[in-house]
Amino acid sequence: GDSVTQMEGPVTLSEEAFLTINCTYTATGYPSLFWYVQYPGEGLQLLLKATKADDKGSNKGFEATYRKETTSFHLEKGSVQVSDSAVYFCALKNSWGKFQFGAGTQVVVTP
Amino acid sequence: EAQVTQNPRYLITVTGKKLTVTCSQNMNHEYMSWYRQDPGLGLRQIYYSMNVEVTDKGDVPEGYKVSRKEKRNFPLILESPSPNQTSLYFCASSLVIAGVVDTQYFGPGTRLTVL
Repeated sequence: GDSVTQMEGPVTLSEEAFLTINCTYTATGYPSLFWYVQYPGEGLQLLLKATKADDKGSNKGFEATYRKETTSFHLEKGSVQVSDSAVYFCALKNSWGKFQFGAGTQVVVTP
Repeated sequence: EAQVTQNPRYLITVTGKKLTVTCSQNMNHEYMSWYRQDPGLGLRQIYYSMNVEVTDKGDVPEGYKVSRKEKRNFPLILESPSPNQTSLYFCASSLVIAGVVDTQYFGPGTRLTVL
């Protein structure tokens, strides 16, 4: 079946550091890929998405590129802020519309 | 404002006492879904609904019921809650485009504790 694997956290960084969260997937067909962010005490918010190979999703300084050859969708941000502290979820949506989420990666950014 | 609302946000109950968590969306979305979030397991889908009167099991449906009598509402029912249903629950909704679920939008979550 479909699955999403993302790196375990917590990831602790200093402000202005570079952030990478790895995400790989297994799916049949041509899934869409998503990153969601969950701030403390809140629900999940869509951060960015990509619907086909080589698409790059971007939002709020975050980027991720859909790499079909490596089945990956790694999230990156060049200079993190304390306000980026949150849990980040990688997810896929298969051809039939079923979503599969990764376990989540907690990111802690210190001043 | 477009949103998904859930009530209650927090609930502590005892084993066996029936409860309902409500979910409502104002975006006229066809698709609605319930998830539970547990540490280290991410989000797991409980039930989903592609439209009114159409519901189906997700990955972890045991111990839960749902109904979809109106497009905007999708309540989650625990007939006889047990401690292993202690979790954080999220409702989500989405448009269905050409028969395929589009991007999901999530409610704020309901933290349930079953003693």
